[in-house]
Amino acid sequence: QQQVKQSPQSLIVQKGGISIINCAYENTAFDYFPWYQQFPGKGPALLIAIRPDVSEKKEGRFTISFNKSAKQFSLHIMDSQPGDSATYFCAARGRSGGYQKVTFGTGTKLQVIP
Amino acid sequence: EPEVTQTPSHQVTQMGQEVILRCVPISNHLYFYWYRQILGQKVEFLVSFYNNEISEKSEIFDDQFSVERPDGSNFTLKIRSTKLEDSAMYFCASYRGLNTEAFFGQGTRLTVV
Repeated sequence: QQQVKQSPQSLIVQKGGISIINCAYENTAFDYFPWYQQFPGKGPALLIAIRPDVSEKKEGRFTISFNKSAKQFSLHIMDSQPGDSATYFCAARGRSGGYQKVTFGTGTKLQVIP
Repeated sequence: EPEVTQTPSHQVTQMGQEVILRCVPISNHLYFYWYRQILGQKVEFLVSFYNNEISEKSEIFDDQFSVERPDGSNFTLKIRSTKLEDSAMYFCASYRGLNTEAFFGQGTRLTVV
């Protein structure tokens, strides 16, 4: 019940195209859904996040769409650029006792080709 | 911008040896975590630490692992007797408080040979 399922495992998109990564969760106690971007040799860095009371959040070229009833959320990268090539992890944060814990998806390796 | 720092960036150790991975969380943060990422796989939770004690640990965090905050600034992960399958990137993360963002360090790549 703590799992976060992510797809696709890898994605190749042409420059200027839209990259879409999907995630699904089971635990309705999750209360915060961040997306992390990870470049090779670096730690995950927060990209954008959403709370379940909002259906969409947009920051620049990055948009999260959230469907609470379906327990699904997705990341859309508009006008994808080669610099966006990285691994993207969706995640869900929930309380565990009095503490919070982030559960990560399996990751999507995005390659944006010129 | 404040950041979580981890040392060393890469450690190679022989199987059966003890290793200590070090982290300096952001100074006003109160919650500390270790995560592990085996090459090409997802980031997995190991342990959370608050108020000088473990608050939660995963099934990965067995008796070979321990954490400590020895001096109020460093946060360490010790693996007593390393196994080949311990080879991974280990990330430290810290939070200021509940409902705040997690900041991750750049990781320590542990290679057990």
